Amino acid sequence: QVQLVQSGSELKKPGASVQVSCKTSGYTFAFYSLNWVRQAPGQGLEWMGWINTYTGNPTYARGFTGRFVFSMDNSVSTAYLEISRLQADDTAVYYCVREASSRWDVWGQGTTVTVSS
Amino acid sequence: QSVLTQPPSVSGAPGQRVTISCTGSHSNIGAGYDVVWYQQFPGTVPKVVIYGNTNRPSGVPDRFSGSNSGTSASLAITGLQAEDEADYYCQSYDSSLSGWVFGGGTKLTVL
Repeated sequence: QVQLVQSGSELKKPGASVQVSCKTSGYTFAFYSLNWVRQAPGQGLEWMGWINTYTGNPTYARGFTGRFVFSMDNSVSTAYLEISRLQADDTAVYYCVREASSRWDVWGQGTTVTVSS
Repeated sequence: QSVLTQPPSVSGAPGQRVTISCTGSHSNIGAGYDVVWYQQFPGTVPKVVIYGNTNRPSGVPDRFSGSNSGTSASLAITGLQAEDEADYYCQSYDSSLSGWVFGGGTKLTVL
């Protein structure tokens, strides 16, 4: 069955970097785009952008340019989110979500990133 | 400030009907882009309860329904049950932003 399995929770210090992985299985990786969503503690869902898994081209939502990088490795059917120069307000749960024909149909389980000194 | 506007909270007694509004603009809901409604319990992944404005995925009770009018959408829940207590989010696509947008979320409390 289709699965998106994300990497485990991370605790990082301000200024550090973090990489979140989203390993997919059960379908052809290149055929479905992947979106990234952030949810800060007690807050709502924010769309961060998406990566075209056929071309590797990333698109970033407003507010998620500069420190945020989407990448992928087709050979292992995995997408990555890297956040650099971490700040306290980057503390959140990050989700990857598969998009099929403009529908978001499968979510990863979420990765909690905590930024604290 | 979310592009789609939802009330922060709604409440109702068991058995009652509640509606959650989602107000957008001419570049998203008003432009005809589909609205999706998610239900999220604390610490869990959001789950689709309505997609394509009015469609229910299999397994979602028919107590849940969606509707659109102009630049707004609504989620209605009839026969309210304690298990419906959760956060609800609307989502659509916005042509001005060239991306997906969410409502700020509505906390449903079953009294």
